[in-house]
Amino acid sequence: DADVTQTPRNRITKTGKRIMLECSQTKGHDRMYWYRQDPGLGLRLIYYSFDVKDINKGEISDGYSVSRQAQAKFSLSLESAIPNQTALYFCATSDLTVGQANTGELFFGEGSRLTVL
Amino acid sequence: GEDVEQSLFLSVREGDSSVINCTYTDSSSTYLYWYKQEPGAGLQLLTYIFSNMDMKQDQRLTVLLNKKDKHLSLRIADTQTGDSAIYFCAGGNQFYFGTGTSLTVIP
Repeated sequence: DADVTQTPRNRITKTGKRIMLECSQTKGHDRMYWYRQDPGLGLRLIYYSFDVKDINKGEISDGYSVSRQAQAKFSLSLESAIPNQTALYFCATSDLTVGQANTGELFFGEGSRLTVL
Repeated sequence: GEDVEQSLFLSVREGDSSVINCTYTDSSSTYLYWYKQEPGAGLQLLTYIFSNMDMKQDQRLTVLLNKKDKHLSLRIADTQTGDSAIYFCAGGNQFYFGTGTSLTVIP
């Protein structure tokens, strides 16, 4: 089984609908992230969480919200989806402390492709 | 926020060397990273370099870091068709990724 699991893997929805993308991890990492990928724009950070009680906005948080239900779970919500939120969404995790023994490597899920019509 | 820039496309012939370049603005990173994304998959760490190093070699991969110019490069020697992928550079906190360079290897 994958260490970082995203559901659903693919979703087509209509403008105005509420959508939730879920992420769960078995790596025991404290830090979790949500990114979106768009062609030519690379990966952009939406939200990140350094522990269960910590939620921070990333570069492009408008139109999104998140919930960190447990150390292992981090969900991304689109309250009212719009077409320019059509993208590939990635969840990632990393270990807490960056240093000699830990490079802070991100571990990514396989992505959730969202299409908003 | 930080700017991390890469060229979007690179095409090389099998067996040649590939060089993927990245420029960044935030010089506070402890590590700088290269991630690889194969078609239909998430990103995986390919290699990294500690910020107090100038060069790191790992089998066919060579990472060069020019801190003065804030320039990072990834050289892949003897490029193979399996190296075809998108390559992303990222700064230390990994909040900012480059746009990704799509490498196509021509047989």
